[in-house]
Amino acid sequence: DAKTTQPTSMDCAEGRAANLPCNHSTISGNEYVYWYRQIHSQGPQYIIHGLKNNETNEMASLIITEDRKSSTLILPHATLRDTAVYYCIVRLFGNKLVFGAGTILRVKS
Amino acid sequence: NAGVMQNPRHLVRRRGQEARLRCSPMKGHSHVYWYRQLPEEGLKFMVYLQKENIIDESGMPKERFSAEFPKEGPSILRIQQVVRGDSAAYFCASSPTGGGNEQYFGPGTRLTVT
Repeated sequence: DAKTTQPTSMDCAEGRAANLPCNHSTISGNEYVYWYRQIHSQGPQYIIHGLKNNETNEMASLIITEDRKSSTLILPHATLRDTAVYYCIVRLFGNKLVFGAGTILRVKS
Repeated sequence: NAGVMQNPRHLVRRRGQEARLRCSPMKGHSHVYWYRQLPEEGLKFMVYLQKENIIDESGMPKERFSAEFPKEGPSILRIQQVVRGDSAAYFCASSPTGGGNEQYFGPGTRLTVT
């Protein structure tokens, strides 16, 4: 599975959009981009995933660049409860998730 | 729908004892994965199982650790002769089929070895 690079931490004001970047320059054509988050010490929570097209669900939007070398997770209206570690994972159609260090997102009032 | 269930949520064992961690996947899910998170570290994959089969155990320590997912009942992660370094949070995830489907995680079992 391709390696990902994410900023160590980010701050976001409550109510504003949080844009979390991820670089995956070695991604191959059949690898998906997944986003998970871990709030405090809870189990990771699935957020969204995509292959080529942009995706949106009730939690977030995922924007993947045309060359697929990077992506951005967007939380449209961040709340204090969105404070968490966010993991960008690139994954073949295999089954294990390889977690990196992720981005610590702090939402501040 | 009940989510992935893990028990116990907290487990304390003395060095040399055995630890058994249980995971009940979501209804309709036949694939189970175990991950470990050491204090202040990221999650590391341990093992992937389907009913009665181990599919990928590339992340399992070679000794003392074993996992099973029987035809009936929960998946069990077993750690024999625990040592202090086994203290961690152990998370189980399930998915309905293998491949690209998302995995849904349980709340974890926090193992403390004294």
